[in-house]
Amino acid sequence: QKEVEQNSGPLSVPEGAIASLNCTYSDRVSQSFFWYRQYSGKSPELIMSIYSNGDKEDGRFTAQLNKASQYVSLLIRDSQPSDSATYLCATYSGTYKYIFGTGTRLKVLA
Amino acid sequence: DAGITQSPRHKVTETGTPVTLRCHQTENHRYMYWYRQDPGHGLRLIHYSYGVKDTDKGEVSDGYSVSRSKTEDFLLTLESATSSQTSVYFCAISESIAGGTDTQYFGPGTRLTVL
Repeated sequence: QKEVEQNSGPLSVPEGAIASLNCTYSDRVSQSFFWYRQYSGKSPELIMSIYSNGDKEDGRFTAQLNKASQYVSLLIRDSQPSDSATYLCATYSGTYKYIFGTGTRLKVLA
Repeated sequence: DAGITQSPRHKVTETGTPVTLRCHQTENHRYMYWYRQDPGHGLRLIHYSYGVKDTDKGEVSDGYSVSRSKTEDFLLTLESATSSQTSVYFCAISESIAGGTDTQYFGPGTRLTVL
């Protein structure tokens, strides 16, 4: 069973701090990786996608991918209370299948 | 926002009744998906479609069927609803699957309660 693992949290960080969200995956042939944000009662929305080893930055968000370690992370700089949500990690694992983790709940404390 | 709507948004039904959920897109994307989301399980794929009349099963397809007669519509049917099918159902679309680099966009979800 191919899996994507995330710590369920909650991860609590003070406003203005860096939030670090982590994800590991089991399928070595995973080729694409995604971070979604999901507010309570809402649908997932894409934050970042990353396909190559290294870092990818977009505004306050940085995604990091290490395929050798099968590890992908999301850093949120200058965290805001509005960043409080559940963050879903997902991989594309072939055959039209995107595998999702169960999500990490982030709480940014004002 | 991607043009995806789901109907109904909320439904309460009784065990044993048939239920159909509708996903409608205005993006003309080829690929459509149905997921369910439950606490502790995350998003799990029920069925997907890679074109009109082309569908296949996901990891939790038992008790569900789908149909896609037009590019824009993807229907999910619970033939005889059970309490274990109480969940939030999300439809998603993507434009192409080459290398898996295309993003999935999600609809607003349908909250289904089976009593």
